[in-house]
Amino acid sequence: GQNIDQPTEMTATEGAIVQINCTYQTSGFNGLFWYQQHAGEAPTFLSYNVLDGLEEKGRFSSFLSRSKGYSYLLLKELQMKDSASYLCAVMDSNYQLIWGAGTKLIIKP
Amino acid sequence: GAVVSQHPSWVICKSGTSVKIECRSLDFQATTMFWYRQFPKQSLMLMATSNEGSKATYEQGVEKDKFLINHASLTLSTLTVTSAHPEDSSFYICSARDGAVQETQYFGPGTRLLVL
Repeated sequence: GQNIDQPTEMTATEGAIVQINCTYQTSGFNGLFWYQQHAGEAPTFLSYNVLDGLEEKGRFSSFLSRSKGYSYLLLKELQMKDSASYLCAVMDSNYQLIWGAGTKLIIKP
Repeated sequence: GAVVSQHPSWVICKSGTSVKIECRSLDFQATTMFWYRQFPKQSLMLMATSNEGSKATYEQGVEKDKFLINHASLTLSTLTVTSAHPEDSSFYICSARDGAVQETQYFGPGTRLLVL
């Protein structure tokens, strides 16, 4: 079956760095996405990785290792507004998105 | 990034009525649109995938006669919840895939439905 695993909840301190991991097992692979979802709102696109390596975009970076079925989202210089759920999703061979359950990130002052 | 709108953002209706939700891609043509449902504190659940001009593909367990999806144009898809009941109360979110950029899905702001 297809499976995406990510931690349910993480807590970090304002100004610090946090890494949210995602492991996956899917039928085929056409890229991995990270989305941010604030409570009561729809997800917003953060990053897309299809090749191995690190993609940096401002305070956010996303890493992919296809051989390990592993990705992480790295958030630097954490701000209170970064408190949200972070969803990992993998596009399978049919171009369908398989969603993880999301990681709720709590930022403390 | 691409913009997807959804209307209405909030609906409160009586049990037994039908509710239509519109999803529009504003600055791109969406060959494929997706409808999701999300219950509080749970992950997104894909309900159906719709391709312009063809019938929607429903996920297992989703009643196609209850959740009618129409994707009449490259910029508009509609979801109609027929004979809504309180258990249909949820957050409904559409997303659209930019036909020119196969991979990325862009989400609408969502529609919160409350059935009394």
